[in-house]
Amino acid sequence: EAGVTQFPSHSVIEKGQTVTLRCDPISGHDNLYWYRRVMGKEIKFLLHFVKESKQDESGMPNNRFLAERTGGTYSTLKVQPAELEDSGVYFCASSQDRTVIGYTFGSGTRLTVV
Amino acid sequence: QKEVEQNSGPLSVPEGAIASLNCTYSDRGSQSFFWYRQYSGKSPELIMFIYSNGDKEDGRFTAQLNKASQYVSLLIRDSQPSDSATYLCAVNTRGDGGATNKLIFGTGTLLAVQP
Repeated sequence: EAGVTQFPSHSVIEKGQTVTLRCDPISGHDNLYWYRRVMGKEIKFLLHFVKESKQDESGMPNNRFLAERTGGTYSTLKVQPAELEDSGVYFCASSQDRTVIGYTFGSGTRLTVV
Repeated sequence: QKEVEQNSGPLSVPEGAIASLNCTYSDRGSQSFFWYRQYSGKSPELIMFIYSNGDKEDGRFTAQLNKASQYVSLLIRDSQPSDSATYLCAVNTRGDGGATNKLIFGTGTLLAVQP
């Protein structure tokens, strides 16, 4: 079974540019989550999809962040325009059911905004 | 006050010793508690979860929960150099309308097992 796949693994962009991160969950997993770890801080929840619907987006920091999951398969997280404080590692996780135990994390995308 | 607190370490233990990792949480309504291991540049990997007060053992790992003290710990017996990693404590809190699906993480404790 393929795991949760994220790409790119690394991205370096200039302040003000746009970046799109992608997450491919494990096949058949309806639940998809985005988390972020900013340098020196803890991993923080961003949002949760159930299929194509946003179940909880309480962790999205501001309207520069847009997450989509068209068709309920892969998800994208767009940051536009990127700011320096957006630098960090963005993790995606997926699960078949709604229990936290079922989470499988991807290896993350390291975003550096310069 | 942070919702989940951990000592960042590094915690250095000799090979074969017991490593003790600690975590406190602020929300008394927290229901489920998790320990993740994260190697550098890799994804967090679930190693233990616990719901009830007391101890839960799985191989060399023991999770301990004390809800009255709002304290969770992870013991690693017979520590090996391959256990060297960052250990993340995470809490799942029941919100309005039922359990949320999101985890609240601590910053993690770096464990270094010396050969």
